[in-house]
Amino acid sequence: QQQVKQSPQSLIVQKGGISIINCAYENTAFDYFPWYQQFPGKGPALLIAIRPDVSEKKEGRFTISFNKSAKQFSLHIMDSQPGDSATYFCAASMEGGYQKVTFGIGTKLQVIP
Amino acid sequence: EAGVAQSPRYKIIEKRQSVAFWCNPISGHATLYWYQQILGQGPKLLIQFQNNGVVDDSQLPKDRFSAERLKGVDSTLKIQPAKLEDSAVYLCASSSPPLPLGQGKETQYFGPGTRLLVL
Repeated sequence: QQQVKQSPQSLIVQKGGISIINCAYENTAFDYFPWYQQFPGKGPALLIAIRPDVSEKKEGRFTISFNKSAKQFSLHIMDSQPGDSATYFCAASMEGGYQKVTFGIGTKLQVIP
Repeated sequence: EAGVAQSPRYKIIEKRQSVAFWCNPISGHATLYWYQQILGQGPKLLIQFQNNGVVDDSQLPKDRFSAERLKGVDSTLKIQPAKLEDSAVYLCASSSPPLPLGQGKETQYFGPGTRLLVL
């Protein structure tokens, strides 16, 4: 059962453009939604995260938009740069317990000059 | 602060052989995770340790996979016997002790992974 659905699987954006990656979840018990960035040959690294009590979180060029009623959230990368080329994973976990994280399938982003 | 260390970085074996991966988490991190990342997919949790105890191994194929975390520090993941479909990157991650409810989430820090190819 794919609990976190992510799209698109690949994305090509020109330098300076906006990259948008979308995710949807099914389990309403999820209450923490991190995004991870993974470069080739490296492990994923936490990029930005949001809780469902806010609709938007911004850190530099990266913004998460969250729609609790639709059970959807998205990552926006403003002014995309070639150095942003990586695979991005959305994820979800539940409060309490030992915080098992469920990952989306990933989006391979390529930013072309 | 040193990151999560994993070895080996690459391993090629034939099916039915056995293989072991090693992980050393960030110092002081009580929680350790092993993930399997198949090409083109997101990481899938195989097993999670809290200190040296298992808290979640629901997705670990226990007929062929085993893991241990002796002394609550480093950990090994073993596959015996390996199958072709085990070809993947095996990621280890660690995090600090759980925070009380409502005080946020601790971050999982991932190692570089071990890329396994089963022929």
